[in-house]
Amino acid sequence: DAGVTQSPTHLIKTRGQQVTLRCSPISGHKSVSWYQQVLGQGPQFIFQYYEKEERGRGNFPDRFSARQFPNYSSELNVNALLLGDSALYLCASSPGQMNTGELFFGEGSRLTVL
Amino acid sequence: AQSVTQLGSHVSVSEGALVLLRCNYSSSVPPYLFWYVQYPNQGLQLLLKYTSAATLVKGINGFEAEFKKSETSFHLTKPSAHMSDAAEYFCASTAIQGAQKLVFGQGTRLTINP
Repeated sequence: DAGVTQSPTHLIKTRGQQVTLRCSPISGHKSVSWYQQVLGQGPQFIFQYYEKEERGRGNFPDRFSARQFPNYSSELNVNALLLGDSALYLCASSPGQMNTGELFFGEGSRLTVL
Repeated sequence: AQSVTQLGSHVSVSEGALVLLRCNYSSSVPPYLFWYVQYPNQGLQLLLKYTSAATLVKGINGFEAEFKKSETSFHLTKPSAHMSDAAEYFCASTAIQGAQKLVFGQGTRLTINP
């Protein structure tokens, strides 16, 4: 069975541009979460979506937004990119909104902002 | 507010030696604790989780961790290191069982010397 898939795997943008990252959860999983992992740090929670609704949001500016589609896939959008947005963006899925704590992570989208 | 501190950003051990990765948590309510591993260019994989059922938790690949409330610790151990254990290890917590907002530590890079 396919795991969590993310695209693109790598991308380079310049300051001020906008980026869209995509995530397909494991089949049957209805919840998707997004994390930002800056080099040398642990992942930081950005959003959780369940059944197409936002169920949690981390301490990120409004430049960050996300949505979940009827097929449970998700997109993360970041507007007006800053150098500090350079990071590995991880998507994780789980079967339901509340679970046993095991999140299934994709390999991430590595964003470089120049 | 929850926080997780991992003592030592880099740990180096010889193959066959004991692995000890340290994690301390701070939480106003009983936490649920996790260890995740990240191999190069891969997403995070759950090693083990503590959800109050037992203080000594056994995980995959021979790893285990012990929850010590008096010390607010959840250290990860493995009796005998293998070359394949080289990776980044993250301790994480959530105060609500099943909640998807995990708070991660900054990570510990484990190097195994032949």
